[in-house]
Amino acid sequence: EVQLVESGGGLVQPGGSLRLSCAASGFTFSSYAMHWVRQAPGKGLEYVSAISSNGGSTYYANSVKGRFTISRDNSKNTLYLQMGSLRAEDMAVYYCARVVEQWLVRLPSYYYYMDVWGKGTTVTVSS
Amino acid sequence: DIQMTQSPSSLSASVGDRVTITCRASQSISSYLNWYQQKPGKAPKLLIYAASSLQSGVPSRFSGSGSGTDFTLTISSLQPEDFATYYCQQSYSTPIFTFGPGTKVDIK
Repeated sequence: EVQLVESGGGLVQPGGSLRLSCAASGFTFSSYAMHWVRQAPGKGLEYVSAISSNGGSTYYANSVKGRFTISRDNSKNTLYLQMGSLRAEDMAVYYCARVVEQWLVRLPSYYYYMDVWGKGTTVTVSS
Repeated sequence: DIQMTQSPSSLSASVGDRVTITCRASQSISSYLNWYQQKPGKAPKLLIYAASSLQSGVPSRFSGSGSGTDFTLTISSLQPEDFATYYCQQSYSTPIFTFGPGTKVDIK
């Protein structure tokens, strides 16, 4: 079964740090780009960060740039998000998601979508 | 940055109703538009990719259309399990995939 399982969430004080993990199973992890998406309480989905399949390219939303670092260990089938200088507005459920790259003849070009998501891990920022 | 909007922000409907949700991009995104369904306390689920392609396992009552800046998600006959929040997402500016604000569908 294809599965993503996040862990590492918890309560942290403003200004603190936390590292999230996303363990992948049931597929060839090293073949897929991966993303982190978050959802603040009662709010919508927000793109956070992305990493290429080999870890060579990383991307960040402006809201987390310089504070968060995405990485992956393909030998351990695990995705990470190192979060620092945490703020109240970072409080959210954090999801990891697999990104499919598919050639669509009708476009014609490569196309991208998130087809597998973890159940999420909750980050609470409070003193 | 590409901005996404959705309308309505919420709607009330009955089982069996035909439901239409609209998503608009701030610039042309061709067919680089995905739709997700999210139920409370659950992760999002992919419904439609590339504006109109149905993800495997998704019921055929869901359909998507549109190109450029204007897109539509249609549920042809609303079922009890379809009450949820629906998000559009652009994948034109890969790998930065912006989401719309969501449309909540609840029971009338």
